Amino acid sequence: EAGVTQFPSHSVIEKGQTVTLRCDPISGHDNLYWYRRVMGKEIKFLLHFVKESKQDESGMPNNRFLAERTGGTYSTLKVQPAELEDSGVYFCASSQGLPNTGELFFGEGSRLTVL
Amino acid sequence: DQQVKQNSPSLSVQEGRISILNCDYTNSMFDYFLWYKKYPAEGPTFLISISSIKDKNEDGRFTVFLNKSAKHLSLHIVPSQPGDSAVYFCAASGSSGNTGKLIFGQGTTLQVKP
Repeated sequence: EAGVTQFPSHSVIEKGQTVTLRCDPISGHDNLYWYRRVMGKEIKFLLHFVKESKQDESGMPNNRFLAERTGGTYSTLKVQPAELEDSGVYFCASSQGLPNTGELFFGEGSRLTVL
Repeated sequence: DQQVKQNSPSLSVQEGRISILNCDYTNSMFDYFLWYKKYPAEGPTFLISISSIKDKNEDGRFTVFLNKSAKHLSLHIVPSQPGDSAVYFCAASGSSGNTGKLIFGQGTTLQVKP
């Protein structure tokens, strides 16, 4: 069974440009999450989808970030326009239900470097 | 305001000895605590969890201890192996209902020397 896959693995862009990250969750997982780790700090929650609906987007930094999950399958996270502080590793995670233990399956991450 | 803290950025132990990784939290509403392990260029992988109603959970070489009165948990690895070298993240859930949203610490890099 394929795990959570993310694309691209690394993206280098200039300040002001646009980048779109993609996440394919494990098949059948209704819950999809985006997290971000900046500069070796903690992994921070960005948002949570249940199927195609945004359940919780309290962690989204600002309106330059737009997440979508059309059809409740894969998700995209667009940053437009990108700023220097957006650099970091963006992780996607999925789960089948709402696991009581909070166990999530993470992808390998998309590293974003904004110059 | 960081609700989950791992105050030791790194830890180095000898193979075969015990590794103890610590984590402190501030929110008494958390009902589950988890440890994730992360190798370079990979995503975090779930290691072990503990419910807030328990004080110990064991899985093979890994044991997590929870001290609710001190708002502290620790992960013990015995015996430590070189393959255990990784970044370990403490995480907590439940402060905003059972949504699966995790609050992570900064991570502790464990190096196990052969």
